[in-house]
Amino acid sequence: NAGVTQTPKFQVLKTGQSMTLQCAQDMNHEYMSWYRQDPGMGLRLIHYSVGAGITDQGEVPNGYNVSRSTTEDFPLRLLSAAPSQTSVYFCASSPSFTGQGTACTFGSGTRLTVV
Amino acid sequence: AQSVAQPEDQVNVAEGNPLTVKCTYSVSGNPYLFWYVQYPNRGLQFLLKYITGDNLVKGSYGFEAEFNKSQTSFHLKKPSALVSDSALYFCAVRDPRGSTLGRLYFGRGTQLTVWP
Repeated sequence: NAGVTQTPKFQVLKTGQSMTLQCAQDMNHEYMSWYRQDPGMGLRLIHYSVGAGITDQGEVPNGYNVSRSTTEDFPLRLLSAAPSQTSVYFCASSPSFTGQGTACTFGSGTRLTVV
Repeated sequence: AQSVAQPEDQVNVAEGNPLTVKCTYSVSGNPYLFWYVQYPNRGLQFLLKYITGDNLVKGSYGFEAEFNKSQTSFHLKKPSALVSDSALYFCAVRDPRGSTLGRLYFGRGTQLTVWP
């Protein structure tokens, strides 16, 4: 099925460990983004990309890196995990940032716990 | 600065009664407004959007939303609530211009509970 695929669905990390959250979409969408969801905080934008090779920071980028080498993939890297990064992470994509009336398609999320 | 407010953390309504989930926004320029729904342990699903045109927008599952420019509001409504509508609802606004093209700004979410 076409859509946004996130892996893994669940992950437990120890403080200081690094890992990569994977996100892939097969809809040829230009725009991709990462959000974190915390109780009572809604969704906050971490990083986004308007096309291959182009990324930018969102509201809460510290502690995270991204790259966009292909249209399909937009991995999120945690360089040195901290308990404050315990959250649910969502990847989202939409056809084009220029078509701003288009809705985003969200992945099913990655639940990350840092101990 | 762009922002979205959902003034109610929780909305409770009896099945069959009308429901309203409130949303107000602040953007510079004409907004693109969205409603998303999240069921437990799932990602967000798109419900409806307002871009331009009629102020009353109809979406999925019988939901509709009314855009009110003077009150900067975009309230989600349904004439007759179902127990299966119980979920977390998010209002979002898309930055229509400037250096943050494409960014979605989300409200904090409203938990809707419909009891039988």
